[in-house]
Amino acid sequence: EDKVVQSPLSLVVHEGDTVTLNCSYEVTNFRSLLWYKQEKKAPTFLFMLTSSGIEKKSGRLSSILDKKELFSILNITATQTGDSAIYLCAFSGGTSYGKLTFGQGTILTVHP
Amino acid sequence: DAGVIQSPRHEVTEMGQEVTLRCKPISGHNSLFWYRQTMMRGLELLIYFNNNVPIDDSGMPEDRFSAKMPNASFSTLKIQPSEPRDSAVYFCASSLALGQGPISPLHFGNGTRLTVT
Repeated sequence: EDKVVQSPLSLVVHEGDTVTLNCSYEVTNFRSLLWYKQEKKAPTFLFMLTSSGIEKKSGRLSSILDKKELFSILNITATQTGDSAIYLCAFSGGTSYGKLTFGQGTILTVHP
Repeated sequence: DAGVIQSPRHEVTEMGQEVTLRCKPISGHNSLFWYRQTMMRGLELLIYFNNNVPIDDSGMPEDRFSAKMPNASFSTLKIQPSEPRDSAVYFCASSLALGQGPISPLHFGNGTRLTVT
């Protein structure tokens, strides 16, 4: 059965810290891996990764995919209180019309 | 673009009542997804459509749940009769798919928070 496992489940840091969130997956016919940030409402898209070893970067956030070892990481440098959220990892596989299967999420809390 | 629009934002109902959730996808998107989110189970896919046709409804919990997509700009998720265990946030999402692969990532609506007492 296809699955996504995220770790840690929760993380508490102070402003300025760097965090690394992990996502491992088992999926047949892998197409892409996506990261979302969820604050109080809807998940919002961060990154879509399809190729191994190519880092995607947006400001203080970056992510990379390892298709051989079947995992991805999301890095956040110089964290701010506004980074507090649930970070969700999801994969799209096979003939799925873009369907995403989500991990359980990592709850990140950044204290001032 | 207005994004994915869901209504109502909140719904409180009594056990046994019918509940209808509504969704307007992003114009031009041809895939639509209904997800449910709870603390215990996270985000679960209930059903999805491509070009208004249901593709996979294996995530629908039971016969009390049904979904329709009569046209490209509207979908409903109905629960009849509702039960307390249906309490959750229900998200609608849409994307553009070419053939059977995604072109764009999923874009989510703000969800409907359903409470069944």
